[in-house]
Amino acid sequence: EPEVTQTPSHQVTQMGQEVILRCVPISNHLYFYWYRQILGQKVEFLVSFYNNEISEKSEIFDDQFSVERPDGSNFTLKIRSTKLEDSAMYFCASSRTRGEKLFFGSGTQLSVL
Amino acid sequence: RKEVEQDPGPFNVPEGATVAFNCTYSNSASQSFFWYRQDCRKEPKLLMSVYSSGNEDGRFTAQLNRASQYISLLIRDSKLSDSATYLCVVRPPGAGSYQLTFGKGTKLSVIP
Repeated sequence: EPEVTQTPSHQVTQMGQEVILRCVPISNHLYFYWYRQILGQKVEFLVSFYNNEISEKSEIFDDQFSVERPDGSNFTLKIRSTKLEDSAMYFCASSRTRGEKLFFGSGTQLSVL
Repeated sequence: RKEVEQDPGPFNVPEGATVAFNCTYSNSASQSFFWYRQDCRKEPKLLMSVYSSGNEDGRFTAQLNRASQYISLLIRDSKLSDSATYLCVVRPPGAGSYQLTFGKGTKLSVIP
C-alpha cells in the first residue's frame, strides 16, 4: 500500500528556533494536511492544503506556522520560533479527494527544550 | 461541551469478549463519521466509516444515531491484536470543511 513519508522521525530543538518538518504525500493525492497530537491529548487539525494554497486552518495555526509545497513531491510545515508548547507529534496526511480516506504518515515527534 | 466525547477507558477485556465503545458529538449538522485506531505513539489508521444505516466489517460493527448524536463501535470475539486506542472522528458541517475532529480516544487492552 502506498505510504505518506515523514522526516525526521524525531526532532529536538531549542525554544525560539525555527524547525521544518517534511512530508512526502502519496503521489496521486491532491489534498494535504497537518495534524498534531500533544502527549496524552487528542489529535488536532492544523491546516489543509489544496491546489497550492491553504484551504482551511485551525486557530492553532497562527502566524508562527506556515506550509509549503516547494516541489512536486514534498509538503513542509515550518514553525518560525518554536515554543515549549509546540512539543507534540506532528502528523502529515494526504487524500485523493476531499471526502476520501486520509492516509497518515508515521509522524515527527518534536521536542522543544 | 467538547466537540467529540468518548469514555477514555481503559477497557480491559479477555480474549474472545465483546466490547462496545460509545461516542457523542456536539454539532448536529456534522456530515461524516469514522472510527480510527491508534497504536501507542503511532499514526491514526482508519478502521471504518460509520453510515446512518449501520455497517459491519468482519468483527466490527458501527452504528450512528443522528437524533441522539451518538456513535458506537462493537468489537466481537476480541483478539490480542485489537489492543489499541479507538478514536471517534467527525467531519464538521460545511461544504468547504476539510478538517476532521477527533475524540480523545478509548483505550482497549485485550488480555490473554
